[in-house]
Amino acid sequence: SYVLTQPPSLSVAPGKTARITCGGNSIGTKSVHWYQQKPGQAPVMVIYYDSDRPSGIPERFSGSNSGNTATLTISRVEAGDEADYYCQVWDSSSDHSYAVFGGGTQLTVL
Amino acid sequence: QVQLVQSGAEVKKPGASVKVSCKASGYTFTTYTMHWVRQAPGQRLEWMGWINAGNGNTKYSQKFQGRLTITRDTSASTAYMELSSLRSEDTAVYYCARDKMYSSSVVNAFDIWGQGTVVTVSS
Repeated sequence: SYVLTQPPSLSVAPGKTARITCGGNSIGTKSVHWYQQKPGQAPVMVIYYDSDRPSGIPERFSGSNSGNTATLTISRVEAGDEADYYCQVWDSSSDHSYAVFGGGTQLTVL
Repeated sequence: QVQLVQSGAEVKKPGASVKVSCKASGYTFTTYTMHWVRQAPGQRLEWMGWINAGNGNTKYSQKFQGRLTITRDTSASTAYMELSSLRSEDTAVYYCARDKMYSSSVVNAFDIWGQGTVVTVSS
């Protein structure tokens, strides 16, 4: 089965840039989507198709995907960005196709 | 506005079944695919399956084959997730989530989420 690996935690000072990675075998050949989840709330899509932003998501959020690593970049980090972030792909490489999520990265704003 | 509203929390005994509803509003229900995703305490999100709300076709994760049934009622703009033979490991928050859809094609990404339904399995 396909595995996505994220760092469990990341700490960033306000105003700095956070880069959250998502590793997977040849992930650059797949479309990667990212979600933000705050405690006790449902996830919110922040990036789809590697780098597209849904309406209402600030331009501070951007994404890239190449080789074996996809990256979510949050510029000028704010206190309100503190949350768990999950990457997700659709894996159809085996007999069974399904959505795969990374383990999540807890972003702490110092 | 577009929203998904789920039914309330459930407490079930091992071996029982649970059925969770997800009522859609603010968009044409039958033109989107609806997914179900769950999250056990402290665990990552886990995809369960989807239903094409237009034609009723379904696809389930292999993990839940035989225990999971996803249905919909187009007249009520509501999708349902039923999980049977419950065990303690099924204790989780269950979410419905709308597919992003692009040019009428399924994207298999989730742009609108319900608020979640807590299902507790305990004897």
